[in-house]
Amino acid sequence: NAGVTQTPKFQVLKTGQSMTLQCAQDMNHNSMYWYRQDPGMGLRLIYYSASEGTTDKGEVPNGYNVSRLNKREFSLRLESAAPSQTSVYFCASIYIREQYFGPGTRLTVT
Amino acid sequence: GESVGLHLPTLSVQEGDNSIINCAYSNSASDYFIWYKQESGKGPQFIIDIRSNMDKRQGQRVTVLLNKTVKHLSLQIAATQPGDSAVYFCAENPSGSRLTFGEGTQLTVNP
Repeated sequence: NAGVTQTPKFQVLKTGQSMTLQCAQDMNHNSMYWYRQDPGMGLRLIYYSASEGTTDKGEVPNGYNVSRLNKREFSLRLESAAPSQTSVYFCASIYIREQYFGPGTRLTVT
Repeated sequence: GESVGLHLPTLSVQEGDNSIINCAYSNSASDYFIWYKQESGKGPQFIIDIRSNMDKRQGQRVTVLLNKTVKHLSLQIAATQPGDSAVYFCAENPSGSRLTFGEGTQLTVNP
């Protein structure tokens, strides 16, 4: 039982490049979230998926897209990376009101 | 050791002392609160939660206190250990809405 896994752990992109952050959970939870964490700020919700096949915008969705591939996997895509997207990204799987976080992806956009 | 005010970013304590980390929340409709611990390079980890119909809840070496009158939450860690060094942040959850996270306090435990 690995919980929530994320790949990659680290990534450096040039402005304008695209990439997809992967997240998977093996806890059979319906809800999955994507957050970003920046220095001096709390976790901010980018997108969430309440169940397989549904996705909704969170607090800071601009510049991102998501895909809920199946119940296990929820990916986050940056189509054209910008320096403002330099951050640590966390995926979370939710059961009732408790959130289980992955280890994070540290992304730098130069 | 105790952190005070809305946004004190660091708290340094001696090993064996008790630590108190404070958090002010903003939404009077919040009915569920969580404390998370985040170690360097890792994701947040659930520590303890409390519902608004309680004012105190105890776990193993940790106690959460809730004061709804002044919208204040605190986390008390007894006999703080070096392994407790981490960022601690609170989260509030209004019923039917999503979690809102605080900025966090860096706890450093000196041996």
